Amino acid sequence: GENVEQHPSTLSVQEGDSAVIKCTYSDSASNYFPWYKQELGKRPQLIIDIRSNVGEKKDQRIAVTLNKTAKHFSLHITETQPEDSAVYFCAASGYSSASKIIFGSGTRLSIRP
Amino acid sequence: KAGVTQTPRYLIKTRGQQVTLSCSPISGHRSVSWYQQTPGQGLQFLFEYFSETQRNKGNFPGRFSGRQFSNSRSEMNVSTLELGDSALYLCASNPSGSQETQYFGPGTRLLVL
Repeated sequence: GENVEQHPSTLSVQEGDSAVIKCTYSDSASNYFPWYKQELGKRPQLIIDIRSNVGEKKDQRIAVTLNKTAKHFSLHITETQPEDSAVYFCAASGYSSASKIIFGSGTRLSIRP
Repeated sequence: KAGVTQTPRYLIKTRGQQVTLSCSPISGHRSVSWYQQTPGQGLQFLFEYFSETQRNKGNFPGRFSGRQFSNSRSEMNVSTLELGDSALYLCASNPSGSQETQYFGPGTRLLVL
């Protein structure tokens, strides 16, 4: 069945450094890849997404890259700040709105001052 | 617009009991999905309802069921509760399905004793 693997499960970086979270999906029909951020005690919220017709998308300090051949996609956060501390979830879904959306297991990112 | 709301926010039950959780989506959203969140397990997809029909289902036992009403409000029921059902149950809504941003509710935290 469909599966999304996410690594690492925990990540600690120095404030100002970059953080990278990687995901691999199994269903080659997947074409929509969102990333959600969940701060402690709060609900997950979309931070960036990418569709399969592009290889990279950037929004200020956040970028996502997609390698459809390898079925990999990654989240890159540059110049990390304390407010970036949260759990990040990647997800993948198929070509239509009726497709399932499958989430990764999450990465707990901690920013060291 | 008001966000996604869930009731109740907290619930304590004992093994063998049943529970019903409620989710009110954002006005105009027809897709409602339910997720179970436990530490280390990420967001496990339970099911998705669209226009009162279950459109997708995750890998959960038949004790977990749901329904959606004509106003898009959704309920989730868990029968014969087990200790392992203790979790945060999140619902999410969007206009049409998995190709769009999922707007999450605050969740219902269920504790089974």
